Amino acid sequence: SSELTQDPSVSVALGQTVRITCQGATLENYYASWYQQKPGQAPLLVVFGENNRPSGIPDRFSGSSSGTTASLTITGAQAEDEADYYCGSRDNSVDWVFGGGTKVTVL
Amino acid sequence: QLHLQASGPGLVKPSATLSLTCTLSGGSIINSRYFWAWIRQSPDKGLEWIATVHHTGGTDYNPSLESRLITSVDTSKNQFSLSLTSVTATDTATYYCARLSKTQVADTGKGYAWIDLWGQGTLVTVS
Repeated sequence: SSELTQDPSVSVALGQTVRITCQGATLENYYASWYQQKPGQAPLLVVFGENNRPSGIPDRFSGSSSGTTASLTITGAQAEDEADYYCGSRDNSVDWVFGGGTKVTVL
Repeated sequence: QLHLQASGPGLVKPSATLSLTCTLSGGSIINSRYFWAWIRQSPDKGLEWIATVHHTGGTDYNPSLESRLITSVDTSKNQFSLSLTSVTATDTATYYCARLSKTQVADTGKGYAWIDLWGQGTLVTVS
């Protein structure tokens, strides 16, 4: 089946670096995109492609990929980065798939 | 400024049909670079892709929902719509409409796409 797997939660000290991972077979053929979602809000695209950020997204957000694993790194995490983060990707069998999400807590 | 707005009943009875419409403002739905998607999120759960439609009529459906899905695009109104039949309590969710880019191919040979425009979401309760 088409799946993307994320760790349910991760914590990071204010100002430190955190890496969120996403694993799935489809990532051999497609880059993941990453979405930040805060309570009561729609998801927001933060990284897509090899390592692209939409306008307005701080450069502390970066993406990388190796084999079947994609990663989102927040370098110098800020309090406002506390949110749920979802990876998503095209998939040859189901067109699009999301990971289960990772809750990032900034301590 | 581009904006997507989903509309529809907030309460639907079990076994009935859930119908939602998404309207794009500030731009045209007729754009070969983009597809239009429906995504839902059950309370306190993750995101689930439902369907993708193109202004030309092309569609892709989540296999787990395909037998209950009907979608359409009305280019004259800049709208696309979703109907989900025979709903149950498990269909209770916030439903988002969104814009999905056409897949690009990087120099590495890997494809990539992204969802860069989301509606605010509309909560639909089946009860």
